[in-house]
Amino acid sequence: EPEVTQTPSHQVTQMGQEVILRCVPISNHLYFYWYRQILGQKVEFLVSFYNNEISEKSEIFDDQFSVERPDGSNFTLKIRSTKLEDSAMYFCASSRNSGGETQYFGPGTRLLVL
Amino acid sequence: AQSVTQPDIHITVSEGASLELRCNYSYGATPYLFWYVQSPGQGLQLLLKYFSGDTLVQGIKGFEAEFKRSQSSFNLRKPSVHWSDAAEYFCAVAGITGTASKLTFGTGTRLQVTL
Repeated sequence: EPEVTQTPSHQVTQMGQEVILRCVPISNHLYFYWYRQILGQKVEFLVSFYNNEISEKSEIFDDQFSVERPDGSNFTLKIRSTKLEDSAMYFCASSRNSGGETQYFGPGTRLLVL
Repeated sequence: AQSVTQPDIHITVSEGASLELRCNYSYGATPYLFWYVQSPGQGLQLLLKYFSGDTLVQGIKGFEAEFKRSQSSFNLRKPSVHWSDAAEYFCAVAGITGTASKLTFGTGTRLQVTL
């Protein structure tokens, strides 16, 4: 069964450094998402992406965040200058269509900013 | 704005007992509703979803959920819980803005199963 994969599984970085989180969505999916989950809190929407552009972004997704689909398979989330409060689990998800189509989640990348 | 409330933060049940996890949603139109499960250190796995039609939906691992529009609820049930069901359960509603949808999650219910 196809699945969403994410790398790395864990990343530790220093405050102010740039990080890139990578995701490989399911191959025939057209919609891509990033969510995050701060430890002990609920999963929060960050951004959705379709047709090579951002469809919607949350207020969390400020100018330090960016997303890109650099090739036909990868979907990346870049944090330009990490802050302590960016420490969280970041989940990538993809869906074949929009609407109520199921979003399939990857296993997540746990980011720790020191 | 869409929102989801899961009133129970933590529930403990005995193995073999029945389970009901509560979920209430707020959404302006017919909602798309989901239940996901997250085991410790793992990602989110879809248990079941409701789009339209039958208000009782069946999912994986013996779970079911009932959509009640009048109560704005989508409660998750299982007749007999197994120890392996211990996990965190998230209810979510899909909202559509622009060209894609986003999921709004509840705060989750942590299920503990005693033997």
